Amino acid sequence: SQKIEQNSEALNIQEGKTATLTCNYTNYSPAYLQWYRQDPGRGPVFLLLIRENEKEKRKERLKVTFDTTLKQSLFHITASQPADSATYLCALGRTDSWGKLQFGAGTQVVVTP
Amino acid sequence: GAVVSQHPSRVICKSGTSVKIECRSLDFQATTMFWYRQFPKQSLMLMATSNEGSKATYEQGVEKDKFLINHASLTLSTLTVTSAHPEDSSFYICSADGHEYGYTFGSGTRLTVV
Repeated sequence: SQKIEQNSEALNIQEGKTATLTCNYTNYSPAYLQWYRQDPGRGPVFLLLIRENEKEKRKERLKVTFDTTLKQSLFHITASQPADSATYLCALGRTDSWGKLQFGAGTQVVVTP
Repeated sequence: GAVVSQHPSRVICKSGTSVKIECRSLDFQATTMFWYRQFPKQSLMLMATSNEGSKATYEQGVEKDKFLINHASLTLSTLTVTSAHPEDSSFYICSADGHEYGYTFGSGTRLTVV
């Protein structure tokens, strides 16, 4: 069965450091992968989309890589700030079912001053 | 940017009653919307795809008679949880394609059935 794995343990990181999150998947061939931020009791907020033919995407302090051979995406937050504290979700999608996303359970990031 | 408004944000209902949740796209049209459910510390699980002007398509294991979806216009989809029971207590979230803004999610509805 399809599986999307994100580290269930919270990532505690000091302000100013780079946080790196991992999203691994099995039995799935996604056409694209998205990363979302979710705060407690709120819906996810879209951050970045990377397609299967792209290796890397950047947006401000965020960077995403996508390795379809390893079936893995890495999500980096550089120069992290306490306001970056949240749960980060990866989501996979296919072009034959555009919009139907399969989500990982998310990794909580805690940035301390 | 694209905004999806979801109401109510919280609802408590008695077992056996029905609850309606609304999802509106405020500044764009959405022919398709998606409904997810999320249990604590778990991933969002897609329940159904809501298609404007036609029947919703449900994911395997989701009871269509229990979770009624109506998408009567290009900006409004509703999810009605019928004859709710405590096990239906969850966080329900809708989403729509916000085009260049990615998939835009509503703020979610916390349903508690007592």
